[in-house]
Amino acid sequence: GIQVEQSPPDLILQEGANSTLRCNFSDSVNNLQWFHQNPWGQLINLFYIPSGTKQNGRLSATTVATERYSLLYISSSQTTDSGVYFCAVATGTASKLTFGTGTRLQVTL
Amino acid sequence: DSGVTQTPKHLITATGQRVTLRCSPRSGDLSVYWYQQSLDQGLQFLIHYYNGEERAKGNILERFSAQQFPDLHSELNLSSLELGDSALYFCASSHPPGRGTEAFFGQGTRLTVV
Repeated sequence: GIQVEQSPPDLILQEGANSTLRCNFSDSVNNLQWFHQNPWGQLINLFYIPSGTKQNGRLSATTVATERYSLLYISSSQTTDSGVYFCAVATGTASKLTFGTGTRLQVTL
Repeated sequence: DSGVTQTPKHLITATGQRVTLRCSPRSGDLSVYWYQQSLDQGLQFLIHYYNGEERAKGNILERFSAQQFPDLHSELNLSSLELGDSALYFCASSHPPGRGTEAFFGQGTRLTVV
């Protein structure tokens, strides 16, 4: 099946710093989503981005489908950004999502 | 709020017991997916239902079963529970099924088997 790798696995930032999270996948995809799992365990949709670039406030994402990677940018990080960020993809006729192992982000004061 | 409702939020039960997790999808969504998140296996797909019919199976144990009812809510039944079944169980919904559809997740049910 498709492989999804995320980097870095862990990231510690000071409040106000910027960061880039990366997701590499091993096959062409028809669905790519970024999620934020908060400390209470909720999975929050950030972006649905099988290709192209989107922005939502301090967050933006870019997927280069032909090169099989996606980037999530967090600018001016806040403590509420802490948690785990997951990339998930679907491929072919399958609609199930395959998740990466996540990037654990901690934003400190 | 994603619009996907899962109950209960927390469940503590003993080994060998059986539990039922419930999911109500977003209004209008015909697809329901179940995922398991455990410390050692990460987030894994279990099973997909579309409009009452099973569409795909993932790494779902034989002790686990699911169904989707005519009102589109779904239930995941876990039986003969073992300590290793302790995990966060998520339900997600989307519409229509298949290619390129955004999935929305419920808050999850945290199952603890003691």
